[in-house]
Amino acid sequence: QVQLQESGPGLVKASQTLSLTCSVSAGSIDSGDYHWTWVRQSPGKGLEWMGHIYFDGRTDYNPSLESRLSMSLGMSRSLFSLSLTSVTAADTAIYYCARDNQTYGYLDYWGLGLLVTVSS
Amino acid sequence: SFELTQPPSVSVSPGQTVTITCSGDVLSKQYAYWYQQRPGQAPMMIIYQDTERPSGVPDRFSGSSSGTTVTLTISGVQAEDEADYHCQSADKTGTFVLFGGGTRLTVL
Repeated sequence: QVQLQESGPGLVKASQTLSLTCSVSAGSIDSGDYHWTWVRQSPGKGLEWMGHIYFDGRTDYNPSLESRLSMSLGMSRSLFSLSLTSVTAADTAIYYCARDNQTYGYLDYWGLGLLVTVSS
Repeated sequence: SFELTQPPSVSVSPGQTVTITCSGDVLSKQYAYWYQQRPGQAPMMIIYQDTERPSGVPDRFSGSSSGTTVTLTISGVQAEDEADYHCQSADKTGTFVLFGGGTRLTVL
């Protein structure tokens, strides 16, 4: 059973960089069948797709975040990361990492989510 | 258009049937997926490729598609179905993932 878990600081100061890591267990990132994805959810709001990274390091980002966002694969092939620069209060959200299954087209495994609060 | 539109909320009495719609131009070209999200939990897919239901999801959940609108139907609603429901699709190239704004289902 594949499991994903987000880790990182729960509090980030405005204007700084938010950095999160997703650990994938019982599975490897090294498959072209999946996109490794970040989704966030602001308090009381809907889901926002942030972007994804392929097994070979290629990325696609939400155009609304592209100027501040980067994703990378870890040295360990069971980690991938997110970096969001110049954060504001609008970036306060629960951040989820997830696996996008390209065979079926949906996000089939999700982490539990990590609440990140941006303080002023 | 890169948008998927859902009603913010719907309500239903136990045992009744409720429908939740999701509309967007891209839905005439791309599949839709539905996720259920209970409070404090991550979303869980309940319908894929417009109408398919994975094993383990009760058969009271069904999906349909017509033109630029997809519909999630829950028949014989139970109290445990109270949750947020999100539709998901992709842009016309299949590159970007799109989510609707989510619909909160209240069981009266």
